[in-house]
Amino acid sequence: EAQVTQNPRYLITVTGKKLTVTCSQNMNHEYMSWYRQDPGLGLRQIYYSMNVEVTDKGDVPEGYKVSRKEKRNFPLILESPSPNQTSLYFCASSPIPGQGGHEQFFGPGTRLTVL
Amino acid sequence: GQNIDQPTEMTATEGAIVQINCTYQTSGFNGLFWYQQHAGEAPTFLSYNVLDGLEEKGRFSSFLSRSKGYSYLLLKELQMKDSASYLCAVRDSNYQLIWGAGTKLIIKP
Repeated sequence: EAQVTQNPRYLITVTGKKLTVTCSQNMNHEYMSWYRQDPGLGLRQIYYSMNVEVTDKGDVPEGYKVSRKEKRNFPLILESPSPNQTSLYFCASSPIPGQGGHEQFFGPGTRLTVL
Repeated sequence: GQNIDQPTEMTATEGAIVQINCTYQTSGFNGLFWYQQHAGEAPTFLSYNVLDGLEEKGRFSSFLSRSKGYSYLLLKELQMKDSASYLCAVRDSNYQLIWGAGTKLIIKP
């Protein structure tokens, strides 16, 4: 089954304790992206990657890191989480955005609470 | 700046028709997407418009006017399971998606 998986699905942590949210896709997609979703603000892009070893900042990259060492995986790293990073996080993937209507496929989401 | 506007919330009756509007101002345009998102779940793709006009897909249709920076999603024969948020997103000149905040649709019996 074609899918994007994220782990963990739920996480409660404390300020300053480093954490990683994993994302993996099995569709051989070049493009992967991380979003956070907060009430009333919609989806905001944190980082994206056009291919292996190619990553770029989105609209809200502060406090986050990513890596793309393999095509299928795109982990999100919070080196020193703070309460304002409490949010619902989505990973998404797609073929390279181009002229076609390539929609993004989303993972199930990770609900993160930072105390 | 780039901006996508949608109504925050709409209410409709089961069996009726509802139109959800989306207006946008973006740096370039390379297509407009509509997604459905049930509470606590991931967004799922509904439709894609890149040329002006109406795209019909079963009970759902999406319309685009590029000159007006305007789109709508039309849902017919509403069912209770259509209660969800509907997200409008525009792909800009850098092929990045700019997202609206979403419209929460409440269906009443």
